Amino acid sequence: SYELTQPPSVSVSPGQTARITCSGDALPKKYAYWYQQKSGQAPVLVIYEDSKRPSGIPERFSGSSSGTMATLTISGAQVEDEADYYCYSTDSSGRGVFGGGTKLTVL
Amino acid sequence: QVQLVESGGGVVQPGGSLRLSCAASGFTFSSYGMHWVRQAPGKGLEWVAFIRYDGSNKYYADSVKGRFTISRDNSKNTLYLQMNSLRAEDTAVYYCAKDQGGGYVDYWGQGTLVTVSS
Repeated sequence: SYELTQPPSVSVSPGQTARITCSGDALPKKYAYWYQQKSGQAPVLVIYEDSKRPSGIPERFSGSSSGTMATLTISGAQVEDEADYYCYSTDSSGRGVFGGGTKLTVL
Repeated sequence: QVQLVESGGGVVQPGGSLRLSCAASGFTFSSYGMHWVRQAPGKGLEWVAFIRYDGSNKYYADSVKGRFTISRDNSKNTLYLQMNSLRAEDTAVYYCAKDQGGGYVDYWGQGTLVTVSS
């Protein structure tokens, strides 16, 4: 079955740039999406179609994709950005797949 | 505003069945596909199933295929997940989620907890 691979954790100091990667063989042909999940809450979409930002999401969140890797970048990470981040895409059959998640620590 | 409210969770014995419901409001339910996504305690998100806006096509994760059935009633703005032959590893918070139209989720419910235990 199709898999998306993320690093388990990323740690940055406040104001630094955080980069979270997501690798998958189908990403050259499929969009990547990114969700933020804070403790005890439902996920929130922060990036769609590789690099687009939904309304209400701060400009410091950006996304990119090249080859088999998609990247979520948080420029000038803030303490309130501390959360779990999940990439998402679909396989060749149209079924959804989530990455394993990355815990972002900002301190 | 979009609202998705899940119900039907609870404690069930291994091998048992449970039906989850999701009441949708704030958008034209019959125009959008819908997903179920689950999250085991302390674990990551797992996509479970998707149904097209008109119910014509359904997709399932390998882990639930043959045991779970996704369905919808557009006259009632309600999504369902029938779960049979439940296992301990099905224990999770189950989220109902709206598809944006491109195969991904743009809105989530708050989830309902399913515990499979004897």
